[in-house]
Amino acid sequence: DAGITQSPRHKVTETGTPVTLRCHQTENHRYMYWYRQDPGHGLRLIHYSYGVKDTDKGEVSDGYSVSRSKTEDFLLTLESATSSQTSVYFCAISVEGPSGGYTFGSGTRLTVV
Amino acid sequence: RKEVEQDPGPFNVPEGATVAFNCTYSNSASQSFFWYRQDCRKEPKLLMSVYSSGNEDGRFTAQLNRASQYISLLIRDSKLSDSATYLCVALTDKLIFGTGTRLQVFP
Repeated sequence: DAGITQSPRHKVTETGTPVTLRCHQTENHRYMYWYRQDPGHGLRLIHYSYGVKDTDKGEVSDGYSVSRSKTEDFLLTLESATSSQTSVYFCAISVEGPSGGYTFGSGTRLTVV
Repeated sequence: RKEVEQDPGPFNVPEGATVAFNCTYSNSASQSFFWYRQDCRKEPKLLMSVYSSGNEDGRFTAQLNRASQYISLLIRDSKLSDSATYLCVALTDKLIFGTGTRLQVFP
């Protein structure tokens, strides 16, 4: 196993509050990604990181920020949660670099009420 | 237009059947291709890579046609445990996922 864990697994939060999701890996992989998955849209990339303090935006980055201060942790923050951000969030690592397959965490189910 | 398009299904097939999924991609610069499997309320897991020469892994065969920008997955002798959603994926500078095709195998 690639050793990737996400926390929390489930969260309900109120509109307008900040929320931080955590992705933790144990194997020192350089590339990490945050996706959200919604019916009819599939998995969409929010942000990704290619090293400590090196991050970039994906296709649906508005309303989200990320930080990677250590190789093993990649944090996703919803600055002010909205109902449209209710989703399942998956973190992924790339074992072989961008050209290889990804290994996903178990996901975080976030509900914004 | 989505970059990677799949028939959402569901495909309902009996055990032992052969089923084929198709996928098209729009970015001709896509370099690599994959099929992922996702069980209900679980994370996606890599099933297999897809090569132009075609590749086989047991009952699963994947094929890429670059000229037509078309990817396929064939499952032979379907098992109940094959019931899942199958995601077609293309790599440009990042992985782009299709929305998935749902397969339900019944006894």
